[in-house]
Amino acid sequence: QVQLQESGPGLVKPSQTLSLTCTVSGGSISSGGYYWSWIRQHPGKGLEWIGYIYYSGSTYYNPSLKSRVTISVDTSKNQFSLKLSSVTAADTAVYYCARESRYRGFDYWGQGTLVTVSS
Amino acid sequence: DIQMTQSPSTLSASVGDRVTITCRASQSISSWLAWYQQKPGKAPKLLIYKASSLESGVPSRFSGSGSGTEFTLTISSLQPDDFATYYCQQYNSYSLTFGGGTKVEIK
Repeated sequence: QVQLQESGPGLVKPSQTLSLTCTVSGGSISSGGYYWSWIRQHPGKGLEWIGYIYYSGSTYYNPSLKSRVTISVDTSKNQFSLKLSSVTAADTAVYYCARESRYRGFDYWGQGTLVTVSS
Repeated sequence: DIQMTQSPSTLSASVGDRVTITCRASQSISSWLAWYQQKPGKAPKLLIYKASSLESGVPSRFSGSGSGTEFTLTISSLQPDDFATYYCQQYNSYSLTFGGGTKVEIK
């Protein structure tokens, strides 16, 4: 059974960089066939896809966030990470990592982690 | 980007009701559409993929249909566990998008 777990600071100051890591267990990122995504949900709002990475390092980002987002992968640790720069209060959200199959959509999700941007 | 529009945004229904949620895409996405259920404080759960394929373990009262730009999620007989928010999501393009969500409330 594939499991994903987000980790990282729950509080980030404005203008700083938000950094989160997703650790995958029960399956290898290196095995291919899946895209590893970050998705966020503002309090009381809908879901917003941030971007994804393939095990090879290929990435694709939401155009609305592209200038501030970097997603990277560490296959040796079976982890992938999100960096979001120059954060503001508008970036306060629950951040999820998820596995995406081009055939089945997002089939496995982490539990989510709340990141608050505040001084 | 492909825009996904769900309707209604809120739906009030009773246990046993047949419930239908609609999702429209701003351009054709073939059948590359998924439906998710989300309960408060929890991650979304995949219900339906490729527009009409039921995810393993999901009750058969859930069904999906449609192709192109118009899709529906139907719950044939609403159960107490089904009160939640439902999202559609397209994966036709490299840029993925979700619908705004439909909250199913107890009438």
